[in-house]
Amino acid sequence: DAGITQSPRHKVTETGTPVTLRCHQTENHRYMYWYRQDPGHGLRLIHYSYGVKDTDKGEVSDGYSVSRSKTEDFLLTLESATSSQTSVYFCAISEGTDYEKLFFGSGTQLSVL
Amino acid sequence: DQQVKQNSPSLSVQEGRISILNCDYTNSMFDYFLWYKKYPAEGPTFLISISSIKDKNEDGRFTVFLNKSAKHLSLHIVPSQPGDSAVYFCAATSNTGNQFYFGTGTSLTVIP
Repeated sequence: DAGITQSPRHKVTETGTPVTLRCHQTENHRYMYWYRQDPGHGLRLIHYSYGVKDTDKGEVSDGYSVSRSKTEDFLLTLESATSSQTSVYFCAISEGTDYEKLFFGSGTQLSVL
Repeated sequence: DQQVKQNSPSLSVQEGRISILNCDYTNSMFDYFLWYKKYPAEGPTFLISISSIKDKNEDGRFTVFLNKSAKHLSLHIVPSQPGDSAVYFCAATSNTGNQFYFGTGTSLTVIP
């Protein structure tokens, strides 16, 4: 298994509260991604990082921010959570040179009430 | 607008028969395509891939076909087994970037 750990695995929060999800890798891969999975939408890219302090927006970045201060950690922050952000969030990592090696974490189930 | 589409949300197949999952894409810059398999409460796992310079790639029971002119790819599973029951995602990327675009997924049920 690729060394990816997402925390927390489950979280319930209230509308308007800040939430931070963490992705930690032990593979020293350059690329890290945050996706959300929703019924009828599949997996949609929120933000990704191509190095420390280097990040870019994905398809559905509104309402989310990210930070990568170390190679191994990629944080996803919902500054003020909304019910539309209830979803399953997946972190993924990639070496960047081998397209087959896009590995996913086990996901975080986030419920915003 | 979705750049990768899977128009069949679900598919049921008898054990031993062929499963065919379809995927369409709109961006002609995509040059590498992947299929991922996902079980409940787990992250997606890589299954098989194909480069745009090929039209077929086979790995055991799994074969992916690519039709570039139609911007269409398909995954064939022969013979289908109950353990293949999962959600299958099609994905695409290009060598000019490292973003992976996924389809909406097809839930495959293989009936024993």
